[in-house]
Amino acid sequence: DAGVIQSPRHEVTEMGQEVTLRCKPISGHDYLFWYRQTMMRGLELLIYFNNNVPIDDSGMPEDRFSAKMPNASFSTLKIQPSEPRDSAVYFCASRETGGYTEAFFGQGTRLTVV
Amino acid sequence: AQSVAQPEDQVNVAEGNPLTVKCTYSVSGNPYLFWYVQYPNRGLQFLLKYITGDNLVKGSYGFEAEFNKSQTSFHLKKPSALVSDSALYFCAVRDLSAGNMLTFGGGTRLMVKP
Repeated sequence: DAGVIQSPRHEVTEMGQEVTLRCKPISGHDYLFWYRQTMMRGLELLIYFNNNVPIDDSGMPEDRFSAKMPNASFSTLKIQPSEPRDSAVYFCASRETGGYTEAFFGQGTRLTVV
Repeated sequence: AQSVAQPEDQVNVAEGNPLTVKCTYSVSGNPYLFWYVQYPNRGLQFLLKYITGDNLVKGSYGFEAEFNKSQTSFHLKKPSALVSDSALYFCAVRDLSAGNMLTFGGGTRLMVKP
C-alpha cells in the first residue's frame, strides 16, 4: 500500500477563498483523522471518522471548517472562507479498528493563506 | 480527560551518547502509549507502542521506551544516538475509556551533534 495520500502538498490561497484538502486513507482502515499542526498549538485533532461517519468534530475551530467522508477511500477538509490564521500543516491519518493499533499519517498539506 | 506532557522542548546530545526523551501521561483508565517521529517536511512516523505486557518496548531504528505505571511515564531511549536521529518526537496516549482519540504531547526536538 502507498500509505495515506494527501493532496495537494502545498496550497497558497488568498484570504476569503475556499480551500479543499483531500485524503485517501490506507485501504482497510476504518478510522480517519484530520489534524492541524502549528508552532503555537502543536498537533490538534480536528475531527475523526469511523466507517465514514463523523464521530467527534469538537476540534473543528469554527463553522468555516467542514469535513466529509463520502466513502471509505476518500475524505475532504474544506475551509470556506479561509483566513490567514488558518495557515498550518494539515495531516490526515488512518488506522484499523482496535484501540491498540497505531495511526499512519500522510505527508501533510502545507496551507498558506495570504 | 487524557493528557500527555513532554517537559522538554529540546534535547541536545552528542553522537554516540545515550539519549532520553521524556513523556508523562494522565488517563483515567489503562493507557495505550505511542511514540512518533517527524522529520522536516514529513508526516509523523510510528516508532513504537506499549499496549500491555513487558514494560520495555523495542521499536524502529534502535529506539526503545520504558513504561512506568507508578510514575505515569513512557520515556523514549536509545543507547547510542546518531546525527540522523535529529527530528521532532511526539508521545501520544489513547485511553479506551475516553474514546478512540489519540492525544499528542507538544513534541520534543532532538538535536544530535557530531
